[in-house]
Amino acid sequence: SAVISQKPSRDICQRGTSLTIQCQVDSQVTMMFWYRQQPGQSLTLIATANQGSEATYESGFVIDKFPISRPNLTFSTLTVSNMSPEDSSIYLCSVGETGPDTEAFFGQGTRLTVV
Amino acid sequence: GIQVEQSPPDLILQEGANSTLRCNFSDSVNNLQWFHQNPWGQLINLFYIPSGTKQNGRLSATTVATERYSLLYISSSQTTDSGVYFCAVSGSGTYKYIFGTGTRLKVLA
Repeated sequence: SAVISQKPSRDICQRGTSLTIQCQVDSQVTMMFWYRQQPGQSLTLIATANQGSEATYESGFVIDKFPISRPNLTFSTLTVSNMSPEDSSIYLCSVGETGPDTEAFFGQGTRLTVV
Repeated sequence: GIQVEQSPPDLILQEGANSTLRCNFSDSVNNLQWFHQNPWGQLINLFYIPSGTKQNGRLSATTVATERYSLLYISSSQTTDSGVYFCAVSGSGTYKYIFGTGTRLKVLA
């Protein structure tokens, strides 16, 4: 299974600022995803990070608010822009492979508090 | 899209008790996983089980794909089993996982 490192593990940010979260994988992976977990809620998929091209966003999420980069097969970043208290959540990076038996693995998450 | 419902939403057990968590999904799936989210927010992979039965120590899981449900069994529960259990599925032609509503488990000493 892939080992996934997310940075930072937690942060407290001022409203109106932006935070970039990094996701580093110890091996090349085909699929990388970003999820958000609001307090007391389940996980919601933000977008699929595509290597070398623009991310594919889910309904309700837009690139201006959550720009994503994926320069290679082992690294991705998610930026939370112009933050408000409603952005306080855990953000998680996930990786997987295409083909049958596609098990997903998750980073330890970034706990973000916006004040 | 696929809807994933879990039951019960909350569960309180005495240490040593057994429990069954259920995951219902609204359409056929290619992948299904069970996760445990610990109090620090980290997701721990429990089972990858799109069909059939698997066991790992005190935990076991069964997925009946034709009837669109999966069950997670916890036997002889321990306080360290506390946390939130999620079922997640991905449908045909996609590798994106959709998460269920979760079951919040508390095991009392």
